[in-house]
Amino acid sequence: QQQVKQSPQSLIVQKGGISIINCAYENTAFDYFPWYQQFPGKGPALLIAIRPDVSEKKEGRFTISFNKSAKQFSLHIMDSQPGDSATYFCAALEGGATNKLIFGTGTLLAVQP
Amino acid sequence: NAGVTQTPKFQVLKTGQSMTLQCAQDMNHEYMSWYRQDPGMGLRLIHYSVGAGITDQGEVPNGYNVSRSTTEDFPLRLLSAAPSQTSVYFCASSPLSVGGNTIYFGEGSWLTVV
Repeated sequence: QQQVKQSPQSLIVQKGGISIINCAYENTAFDYFPWYQQFPGKGPALLIAIRPDVSEKKEGRFTISFNKSAKQFSLHIMDSQPGDSATYFCAALEGGATNKLIFGTGTLLAVQP
Repeated sequence: NAGVTQTPKFQVLKTGQSMTLQCAQDMNHEYMSWYRQDPGMGLRLIHYSVGAGITDQGEVPNGYNVSRSTTEDFPLRLLSAAPSQTSVYFCASSPLSVGGNTIYFGEGSWLTVV
């Protein structure tokens, strides 16, 4: 059973457009929600993260929106650029002693010039 | 600063063979973990450790063993490789309180079991 559900599986956006990736979770013990960016042949790298007591976090062109009551969060990439083409993973941290970070299934983003 | 170093980067194994994927970090992080990445499955946690001498199972631990004798090293052992273990493996480390701290990933180890 996938604890963190991510959609869409793939996404094509024109340069300058907005990319939106959505995630949903069930486990209310999750208390930290990062997004990772992965380029081919590389390991994932932290992009931006949010805690559930905040509804939105913005860093440059990247924004996380968080809806605690709906157990959903999303990544918005404004003014998408070809260099943003990568696989994006949402994740959720199971707090406490386990420190387990559970990932979504990933979204392959292609930004066309 | 090397960060998280994984070796080997590529490996081909025959079914039934054993091998160890090495992982080392030089950031004095207490928390280390191993993930496998498969198409359409995201990254799934295999095993993790919160410090030397302490390990625990993740989502998909079967067929893998780990040990943590030092803070720096966290090897992953495949005792009897199976084709289902063909995957890309990532080691990661972070300070113990993961929430709010960056998790650093290695560059991955591509394993093919034939």
